[in-house]
Order: sequence, then C-alpha cells, then structure tokens
Amino acid sequence: DVKVTQSSRYLVKRTGEKVFLECVQDMDHENMFWYRQDPGLGLRLIYFSYDVKMKEKGDIPEGYSVSREKKERFSLILESASTNQTSMYLCASSLVLGGPWMDEQYFGPGTRLTVT
Amino acid sequence: GNSVTQMEGPVTLSEEAFLTINCTYTATGYPSLFWYVQYPGEGLQLLLKATKADDKGSNKGFEATYRKETTSFHLEKGSVQVSDSAVYFCALSDQTLMFSGGYNKLIFGAGTRLAVHP
Repeated sequence: DVKVTQSSRYLVKRTGEKVFLECVQDMDHENMFWYRQDPGLGLRLIYFSYDVKMKEKGDIPEGYSVSREKKERFSLILESASTNQTSMYLCASSLVLGGPWMDEQYFGPGTRLTVT
Repeated sequence: GNSVTQMEGPVTLSEEAFLTINCTYTATGYPSLFWYVQYPGEGLQLLLKATKADDKGSNKGFEATYRKETTSFHLEKGSVQVSDSAVYFCALSDQTLMFSGGYNKLIFGAGTRLAVHP
C-alpha cells in the first residue's frame, strides 16, 4: 500500500523559531510537493522537487525553503516562523509528470502548524 | 490565468439524496481534470479524473464528465452515504503550466465540504 508520512500531525511553534516539517514516501517516486491548505483558498503549492537535490518554486515560496537529500525524503523549512504561516501543510508525491497525462499525486495526512 | 471555481459549501444532505458539486475552470491549452476527496483527519485522495473532452471519470458511485463547451466538471452521486462526508476538491492540470524542467502542476479549487446526515 502506498504511503506518504509526515513527521507531526500537530505542531505549535513561537514566532521567529526555525521549523522543520519532514515528509517521507515509500513508493520510490521522483516527484515530491509541499502545499499549504487554508480555508477558502484550497491548496497552494509552496515548492516542488523532481529529483534529489532539485527544487522548483511553486506559487507561494516566500518565507519557505526545502531540502531533498534523499529520494524518499522532502523537508520544508520555515527559517523564521511567523503567525501568517499558521496553516495545514500537506506533502505529496507522484511517479511522473508531464505530457497530457497527469499522474496521480499521493498525499500525506498533513501537519497542522500553529505559530504563536 | 488558470483557475478552478467550486460551489461554496457546506453542502448538507440526507442519506440517499442526490449530490451535485459544481466545478468550472479556466485554462489555456487542454487540461486534465480531477476530483480529490479529503476525509476528516486525512490527506487528499484521488477520487476520479478525466483527461479529454467528453470523458467521464467514475469511482465509488461518483461521476464527473469533462464538458469543454461549458468548461465544467461537475461531481455527481445518485445516493450519498454518511461515509461520503468529506471535503471535495476539483483540480486541473494544464500542459502550459510548466516548471522549467517541463513538468506541469495541479491547480486546486477552494474545496466544498459535504455533510451527510442519517
């Protein structure tokens, strides 16, 4: 059974702290994604990685960075957390992208981050 | 630009009622269209998809038809169950939405919450 796991379901951090959100997939997928989910806004892509050490900015990369040192692991980093980064963070992975066929993305359960 | 618009929720239905959740899109090129579902406390799962005009995606009693003339992909189910209570997201993938590596991406709607009561 395919699986995407995220390190924490709930996280509370203080303003200015450095925050690491970890995501691991066991499907040998090349592509991994970080989204944030906010009420009324749906999912917005923060960063995307299509290979180890490769990354692309999504729609809202400001205030975030990512790291992909191993194929199965994709980390989202908040260098200095702010209250407007309070949100649900979802990680996803997929096998292949491109062409007229969009392969399915598999999602983790999400991390609800609160920054106080 | 490319976008997806869904009907606002919550949608509240009795068990065995007919469900329609409207989804319309704007896109350049020829998008593929998707419905994802998020059950309480879980991540998103792909429910169904359609990759070209007039295709019908179906799964678990849900259906949606890709209507290019009306730029719509409405989700329907003939008889909902309490277990269908979830948030439903419409999404599109367009080849013109390319990253520098030539990969396309998903654009999601805001989501529609469905609550089914016995």
